[in-house]
Amino acid sequence: DAKTTQPTSMDCAEGRAANLPCNHSTISGNEYVYWYRQIHSQGPQYIIHGLKNNETNEMASLIITEDRKSSTLILPHATLRDTAVYYCIVRALSNSGYALNFGKGTSLLVTP
Amino acid sequence: DGGITQSPKYLFRKEGQNVTLSCEQNLNHDAMYWYRQDPGQGLRLIYYSQIVNDFQKGDIAEGYSVSREKKESFPLTVTSAQKNPTAFYLCASSSRTGTAEAFFGQGTRLTVV
Repeated sequence: DAKTTQPTSMDCAEGRAANLPCNHSTISGNEYVYWYRQIHSQGPQYIIHGLKNNETNEMASLIITEDRKSSTLILPHATLRDTAVYYCIVRALSNSGYALNFGKGTSLLVTP
Repeated sequence: DGGITQSPKYLFRKEGQNVTLSCEQNLNHDAMYWYRQDPGQGLRLIYYSQIVNDFQKGDIAEGYSVSREKKESFPLTVTSAQKNPTAFYLCASSSRTGTAEAFFGQGTRLTVV
């Protein structure tokens, strides 16, 4: 699975959009981008995934650049409950059933 | 409700004792995983199992053991050989096909005194 790079920490004001970047410049054609988040002292929670098209669900939007070398997770109206560590993970479908490789992630602090 | 359950949430043990952490899922997933998380750190893989009666070591398997006798269950034993067992332990499961997003339990915080 390709390596990802994320900023260590970010701040966002409550009610504003939180844009979390991820660099995955070595991504290959069959690898998906997954996002998870972990609220303090809880298990990680799946947010969204995508291959090359932008994706949106009830939690977030995922924007993947045309060359697929980077992506951005967007929380459109951040709340205090969105304070968490956000993990960007790249993985091929052929590796389904193998463990996800969690890095350090981005610690997002949403402030009042 | 479908999900993955870890028990107990908090566990205290004396040094030198083995302890078993429970993980049960009713999502009909073939694959299950155990991770360890230390304060301020990411998740590190201990063991994983892709199918019943089969499992593989992860990055930090020393001092741990697992079994996978049933599809729904993947217990982790922390043995006395584990030098620093105090940590937050997370169990997860996923399918082995498709995009296979992982579902996590709420974790067990083990403290060895």
